[in-house]
Amino acid sequence: GAVVSQHPSWVICKSGTSVKIECRSLDFQATTMFWYRQFPKQSLMLMATSNEGSKATYEQGVEKDKFLINHASLTLSTLTVTSAHPEDSSFYICSARDRGLAGFVPSTDTQYFGPGTRLTVL
Amino acid sequence: AQKITQTQPGMFVQEKEAVTLDCTYDTSDPSYGLFWYKQPSSGEMIFLIYQGSYDQQNATEGRYSLNFQKARKSANLVISASQLGDSAMYFCAMREEGSYIPTFGRGTSLIVHP
Repeated sequence: GAVVSQHPSWVICKSGTSVKIECRSLDFQATTMFWYRQFPKQSLMLMATSNEGSKATYEQGVEKDKFLINHASLTLSTLTVTSAHPEDSSFYICSARDRGLAGFVPSTDTQYFGPGTRLTVL
Repeated sequence: AQKITQTQPGMFVQEKEAVTLDCTYDTSDPSYGLFWYKQPSSGEMIFLIYQGSYDQQNATEGRYSLNFQKARKSANLVISASQLGDSAMYFCAMREEGSYIPTFGRGTSLIVHP
């Protein structure tokens, strides 16, 4: 099956620093990647949708300048948490949509999730 | 209004027994897809099973089956012969026509005990 990797798998940083998280589709091209945030024992919250070569679309309430998303190629999207604060500590998960699946494909799962990155800001 | 509702925050089941995890959804679209994911403590989201709104039969994948009751807008996950490794969070999700972004429920924590 399709594989999506995330790096790093966990990171601890000091308040005020920036952290970059990478999401890669390893064996397929992803026109669209999604970034989710998940607090402990809570559901996934979609933060933004990134399309290769264009600006990301952020969900309501998500600060664009705080969470910078770059989708520079069909296999790589990055999320940079700028000037991180303890309240940014969370589990960040990306998912990627296979370019080969066009339009609304109701059958099966067209999104492949990465393993997640656990961010702790001290 | 919640589009996906999972009313069971936690469930316990004895090993080898079957368990049903509830999921109800809300949509006015005639075409949609329903998904179940498993999230173990390691964090990765594992796709389990899919049910399309037009599918006539309930989906099954190994020990997983989806009890799809369209009129009641419910899509419960049934896990048969529970194993200790089934202990995890389980999320129900729905994707409506024209969108490839699913909406997730709050999840149900399943604990399988020996």
